[in-house]
Amino acid sequence: EAGVVQSPRYKIIEKKQPVAFWCNPISGHNTLYWYRQNLGQGPELLIRYENEEAVDDSQLPKDRFSAERLKGVDSTLKIQPAELGDSAVYLCASSLGEIAGGLTDTQYFGPGTRLTVL
Amino acid sequence: QKEVEQNSGPLSVPEGAIASLNCTYSDRGSQSFFWYRQYSGKSPELIMFIYSNGDKEDGRFTAQLNKASQYVSLLIRDSQPSDSATYLCAVNGLGGYNKLIFGAGTRLAVHP
Repeated sequence: EAGVVQSPRYKIIEKKQPVAFWCNPISGHNTLYWYRQNLGQGPELLIRYENEEAVDDSQLPKDRFSAERLKGVDSTLKIQPAELGDSAVYLCASSLGEIAGGLTDTQYFGPGTRLTVL
Repeated sequence: QKEVEQNSGPLSVPEGAIASLNCTYSDRGSQSFFWYRQYSGKSPELIMFIYSNGDKEDGRFTAQLNKASQYVSLLIRDSQPSDSATYLCAVNGLGGYNKLIFGAGTRLAVHP
């Protein structure tokens, strides 16, 4: 079974430039998550989708970040314009969601995109 | 107080020893607890989860949960150099069963 796929793996941009990250979840997983992980920290949730609906975007900096999950499968996370403080690893994860029965719903992570903003 | 706290380490243990990793959490309503392993430069990978008080064993790994004391731990028996990584504790928080709050992780170093 293929895991969560993310691209690109690395991205270097100058501040104020836009950037986009793409994620393809595990087949059959209804729930998709975008996390940001700063060096030496655990992942922090940015947004969570149940199918195509964003059910939790409370941690997403909406002035510069946007996300979409058209057709409830692939997802794109965009930053425009990027700032120096956005340098981090952006992780996508997916899980079965309600089908799993709640407490045992397990999130599986993709390889991440390492963003460097100069 | 952070919602999920872990000692950052490094925790250094000799090969073959038992490594004990601890995690405390602040939300008494948390119901499910996950341990992830993260190698340097890689993404987190699930080791195991637990949601009932007591012990849960999976191979060399044992998760222990004490909801009254609000802590969860991970024991690694017969530690190997390949176990050297950062171990992340994740707890479901306010907002639903799949809203995970991660600790900052404990770095484990197993030396031959």
